[in-house]
Amino acid sequence: EAGVTQSPTHLIKTRGQQATLRCSPISGHTSVYWYQQALGLGLQFLLWYDEGEERNRGNFPPRFSGRQFPNYSSELNVNALELEDSALYLCASSLEFWGPTGELFFGEGSRLTVL
Amino acid sequence: KQEVTQIPAALSVPEGENLVLNCSFTDSAIYNLQWFRQDPGKGLTSLLLIQSSQREQTSGRLNASLDKSSGRSTLYIAASQPGDSATYLCAVRFLKNTGTASKLTFGTGTRLQVTL
Repeated sequence: EAGVTQSPTHLIKTRGQQATLRCSPISGHTSVYWYQQALGLGLQFLLWYDEGEERNRGNFPPRFSGRQFPNYSSELNVNALELEDSALYLCASSLEFWGPTGELFFGEGSRLTVL
Repeated sequence: KQEVTQIPAALSVPEGENLVLNCSFTDSAIYNLQWFRQDPGKGLTSLLLIQSSQREQTSGRLNASLDKSSGRSTLYIAASQPGDSATYLCAVRFLKNTGTASKLTFGTGTRLQVTL
């Protein structure tokens, strides 16, 4: 069974550009989560989607946005890129929003470098 | 504010040693607690999940305990090996006032090095 897959693996952009990151959850999982891990910092929660709805949002500016598609895959968009947006962006999925396990499974991440 | 703390930030032990990693959280109203492993530049690998109603979980050489009343969890690694070298992250899903689960809140991790 395939795990959480993320693309692209690496992305290099310049300041002011837009970046789009994609995530495919484990088959059957309906919840998708996005986290940012900047160098030397901990994991910061970005967004949580379930059944196409945004369930929670972290303390990030509005230029960080996303969506979840009917097949439960998700997209994270970062507009007007800044140097400090350089980070590893991790996507995770879980079986359901509120269920018996709630265990999260992570992908390998997309490394975004802003020059 | 609901927070997760891990001490120590880094740990170096010789191969074969048993070790304990600590995780503390500020609110005892939790849904579950999950331990992860992260290799440099990689994603997170789920190691153990402990539900709120459980006291411990075991997988191979790993054992995680949960004490909600004191706001603590420990990850015990038996007979450590160089391949165990990684950063270990503790993450808690707290319960909101509505009774539903919040997002997963991570600690800053413990960087473990097992030397030959």
